[in-house]
Amino acid sequence: QSVLTQPPSVSGAPGLRLTISCTGSSSNIGAGNDVHWYQQVPGTAPRLLMYAYSNRPSGVPDRFSGSKSGTSASLAITGLQAEDEAEYYCQSYDSSLSGWIFGGGTKLTVL
Amino acid sequence: EVQLLESGGGLVQPGGSLRLSCAVSGFTISSYAMTWVRQAPGKGLEWVSSLIGGSLYYADSVKGRFTISRDSSKNTLSLQMNSLRAEDTALYYCARQTKVGAASSYFDFWGQGTLVTVSS
Repeated sequence: QSVLTQPPSVSGAPGLRLTISCTGSSSNIGAGNDVHWYQQVPGTAPRLLMYAYSNRPSGVPDRFSGSKSGTSASLAITGLQAEDEAEYYCQSYDSSLSGWIFGGGTKLTVL
Repeated sequence: EVQLLESGGGLVQPGGSLRLSCAVSGFTISSYAMTWVRQAPGKGLEWVSSLIGGSLYYADSVKGRFTISRDSSKNTLSLQMNSLRAEDTALYYCARQTKVGAASSYFDFWGQGTLVTVSS
């Protein structure tokens, strides 16, 4: 059971928009700790996708965006493409655990 | 170009030890925070340990059994793993961690991982 909760899976047709949620608590997201997102294509290492909620590293398409609301964060993907098919993880810091935490991951399938 | 290359994984019996290494190029590890993250087969990511400045941090699941260290002369990060358990079986990634402060810290460059299997 992960401290950060993500839906196990999401799916959508090419070209559509979808979002992935990441729900935390008062000891992590609610405490003001930043949320970051990683993309992991099967068989490869995770890749930083978004940092501090809504900042994209160089090379990440602007089809990806992030936001925060209360004790949750969301990753939005617009204009869904086949290459977006991957596992997505949110990550934050938990002040009670005194450690860095990940969500359980969300498998994105492009139909 | 930033590159991280892990090594040292393998098959070890329960209760045994293993030492992982992460050879880094493209930046000086003494100027950055570094971390180990693991992924059990078919499972999600789990933070294991971080080295930030002179401070060491461990997940409760490995505290007292694992030790993180760096060799600045070789630009290499290490993870000494003792008293290994079946539940330590995972792909171990080393990653560069930002030093912006714990609450804002993230992992911006990752290696390809080294597999540790704990089994009799």
